[in-house]
Amino acid sequence: DTGVSQDPRHKITKRGQNVTFRCDPISEHNRLYWYRQTLGQGPEFLTYFQNEAQLEKSRLLSDRFSAERPKGSFSTLEIQRTEQGDSAMYLCASSSRTGADNEQFFGPGTRLTVL
Amino acid sequence: AQSVSQHNHHVILSEAASLELGCNYSYGGTVNLFWYVQYPGQHLQLLLKYFSGDPLVKGIKGFEAEFIKSKFSFNLRKPSVQWSDTAEYFCAVTPFSGGYNKLIFGAGTRLAVHP
Repeated sequence: DTGVSQDPRHKITKRGQNVTFRCDPISEHNRLYWYRQTLGQGPEFLTYFQNEAQLEKSRLLSDRFSAERPKGSFSTLEIQRTEQGDSAMYLCASSSRTGADNEQFFGPGTRLTVL
Repeated sequence: AQSVSQHNHHVILSEAASLELGCNYSYGGTVNLFWYVQYPGQHLQLLLKYFSGDPLVKGIKGFEAEFIKSKFSFNLRKPSVQWSDTAEYFCAVTPFSGGYNKLIFGAGTRLAVHP
């Protein structure tokens, strides 16, 4: 399968714990996006990478959240001191700079439940 | 701020009925428009997109959408739905920037098609 992959698919944690999610984009894609989706809502943009550079962060991304893409390939999203309000589906998407339309391809998501 | 409004949160249809899902966006400039679909247990997939040219665009599985610039709308249509069209449908917009484009999603419409 050459699509976007995310790991883990599900994460249950206790309030106050740290969690880290991983996203592997389509191999030739240099653009990577993180979104968050809560129940009954559409995905909301969190942050964007072009290669290893983080070029935009949403105000939704509080200082407890950090994202990295150290070698311009996979990316990690870490949430420190999780809160119940962090419970959501975290989606990763990638796109190609050379694509005429910058279509974003989504992964299956990581569902986070904070108890 | 840019936003996307989807008129119906839940739609129930019988097979062979016609479908129209409404989508309006707020942004004064040039936009790219998308409809994504999420089938039960699957990740977001692109259904169709509009970037320029003919405002009537055709997507996969017999879906089409019409961009009406004067109404800031991008409604999704299908003449005859099937049970397999049961899914959640998301309208999304990106302000055209010539570079990367974060997607701004609507809240989604959950479609249930009964045999």
